[in-house]
Amino acid sequence: NAGVTQTPKFQVLKTGQSMTLQCAQDMNHEYMSWYRQDPGMGLRLIHYSVGAGITDQGEVPNGYNVSRSTTEDFPLRLLSAAPSQTSVYFCASSYSTGAAPFEQYFGPGTRLTVT
Amino acid sequence: AQKVTQAQTEISVVEKEDVTLDCVYETRDTTYYLFWYKQPPSGELVFLIRRNSFDEQNEISGRYSWNFQKSTSSFNFTITASQVVDSAVYFCALSEASYGGATNKLIFGTGTLLAVQP
Repeated sequence: NAGVTQTPKFQVLKTGQSMTLQCAQDMNHEYMSWYRQDPGMGLRLIHYSVGAGITDQGEVPNGYNVSRSTTEDFPLRLLSAAPSQTSVYFCASSYSTGAAPFEQYFGPGTRLTVT
Repeated sequence: AQKVTQAQTEISVVEKEDVTLDCVYETRDTTYYLFWYKQPPSGELVFLIRRNSFDEQNEISGRYSWNFQKSTSSFNFTITASQVVDSAVYFCALSEASYGGATNKLIFGTGTLLAVQP
């Protein structure tokens, strides 16, 4: 099992550009999510999905879009990059979808810089 | 509102010392889950433990132990006989509540950077 994979590992964007961060998992997990990690702020939830075709917003969704067409993939789209979106982005997946949450498996992260 | 506080921003110890990382949480819910994750210098997040609110037993795993106290809303993590490989950022997290109970949405603390000196 590859677990949770993310591409790219590093990315530099100019303000206003758009891009998609890719996330895939091979554990057949229903739950997937995106977090961003900023210095001194821990991790904050951007968007999450409890299954194919179902997505919802987390704590900091503005400027990001997601879709979930398959169980395996959960891409994160930056619509018009801003310097405030400079961060490390983590994708995660989990066996359960709620009620009794299990541990989440995290990808290796994508370090994004917006100039 | 739910919140996780890790008041210790950085801790530095010498190898073989014991060290406790504090985690205080706030929630009004009776059913919730707490987690600890480790983030070594390589950057990945590694799951350490999951605890639900009905299980107040302390847990020990090798040199790691966790003390869960509902009375003080704390879930502290102790490393016994620390080693250089324990150097990392450690995050405590709380499952966000919803109308139907606990969810997979995690509320993270700001993390504690542990530096173990040889």
